Amino acid sequence: SQKIEQNSEALNIQEGKTATLTCNYTNYSPAYLQWYRQDPGRGPVFLLLIRENEKEKRKERLKVTFDTTLKQSLFHITASQPADSATYLCALDGETGNYGQNFVFGPGTRLSVLP
Amino acid sequence: DTGVSQDPRHKITKRGQNVTFRCDPISEHNRLYWYRQTLGQGPEFLTYFQNEAQLEKSRLLSDRFSAERPKGSFSTLEIQRTEQGDSAMYLCAILAGRSGANVLTFGAGSRLTVL
Repeated sequence: SQKIEQNSEALNIQEGKTATLTCNYTNYSPAYLQWYRQDPGRGPVFLLLIRENEKEKRKERLKVTFDTTLKQSLFHITASQPADSATYLCALDGETGNYGQNFVFGPGTRLSVLP
Repeated sequence: DTGVSQDPRHKITKRGQNVTFRCDPISEHNRLYWYRQTLGQGPEFLTYFQNEAQLEKSRLLSDRFSAERPKGSFSTLEIQRTEQGDSAMYLCAILAGRSGANVLTFGAGSRLTVL
């Protein structure tokens, strides 16, 4: 069955360091992979997407890589700030199976940036 | 403001009662999704609409759940005879184009607590 894993439930890092979050998937062939941020009590907010034929994508302090051979995406936040503290979710699209164009989310990684 | 309004934001009910959640996208969007999220988990797909047609329902959506989108604009999600296991955040999302791909724009969610 299809499965998405994110490296850890929680990640604590020191302000100014680079946070690296991992998303691994099995039994998918996604056309693209997306990363969302979710703050407590709020809905997820889209951050970045990367297509299957792209190796890397950047947006300001954010960088996403996508390795379709390893079935893995890495999400980096450089020069992290306490305001980056949130839960980060990866989501896959491209499957046209049971749900048509649907999005399946990983469990998320809760990032805490300590001052 | 994400462009998707959900009401109520919080609902506390007793087991066995019926509850209804409403989702109002600010502008017209063809595709509307409902997700459920429990603590520490990513959003789980429940159902989606293409205009007023409900195209797919997850196995998570038991007979006690019903969703409608009568005029292809707002949508409602009703849970009958609520159970404690229904306690969760119910998220509505619309599909929007970003960077040449489709991404989800979520509302803030409706948190349900069943006592």
